[in-house]
Amino acid sequence: AQSVTQLDSHVSVSEGTPVLLRCNYSSSYSPSLFWYVQHPNKGLQLLLKYTSAATLVKGINGFEAEFKKSETSFHLTKPSAHMSDAAEYFCVVSAAEDTGGFKTIFGAGTRLFVKA
Amino acid sequence: EAGVVQSPRYKIIEKKQPVAFWCNPISGHNTLYWYRQNLGQGPELLIRYENEEAVDDSQLPKDRFSAERLKGVDSTLKIQPAELGDSAVYLCASSSGTSGTISYEQYFGPGTRLTVT
Repeated sequence: AQSVTQLDSHVSVSEGTPVLLRCNYSSSYSPSLFWYVQHPNKGLQLLLKYTSAATLVKGINGFEAEFKKSETSFHLTKPSAHMSDAAEYFCVVSAAEDTGGFKTIFGAGTRLFVKA
Repeated sequence: EAGVVQSPRYKIIEKKQPVAFWCNPISGHNTLYWYRQNLGQGPELLIRYENEEAVDDSQLPKDRFSAERLKGVDSTLKIQPAELGDSAVYLCASSSGTSGTISYEQYFGPGTRLTVT
């Protein structure tokens, strides 16, 4: 079975400062990992994905994440926050199960606030 | 390329009434998902289809919820009768499924916001 934990329910940064949103996962099999963003009253948009290729993954809008197997982490970072980054961010793990199927689990989300 | 289409966008009904949501996935995507998202929480999977087969419906409350995906394209999710606790956003997503150990990314529709009064 797999699980995902987003370590902060809220993160507040000033515009122009770095962003770090933390995500830990557990999985019995090799996982695929994703970060999605959800702006208020908008749909979920894929930021980036890890599917067993390069461990440092670059996404849209300057975001990137690093897959660290030894730490079972997939933290999301951005060097410089912009006001438009204020949104809810979801870490997602998807992996095979012992039953032979696949399971996708969403984290509880991290709300990012960006101060002017 | 058109994205995932959902309708209606908003629905207000009284408890005990039926309601249905419709989803049209991205063309060529064989895997379709229905999620429920409560306020302030992450989406929770209700049912996953591969083509027309429901391969994971373990989280679907089968006493009142039903879903179908005829011909492996469009899908409908139904609630009958609705309860106050069903108020949430219902999201539909589609993907190319899996290949070996890899899960492909899901593309989400805008969702249907259901309010049960």
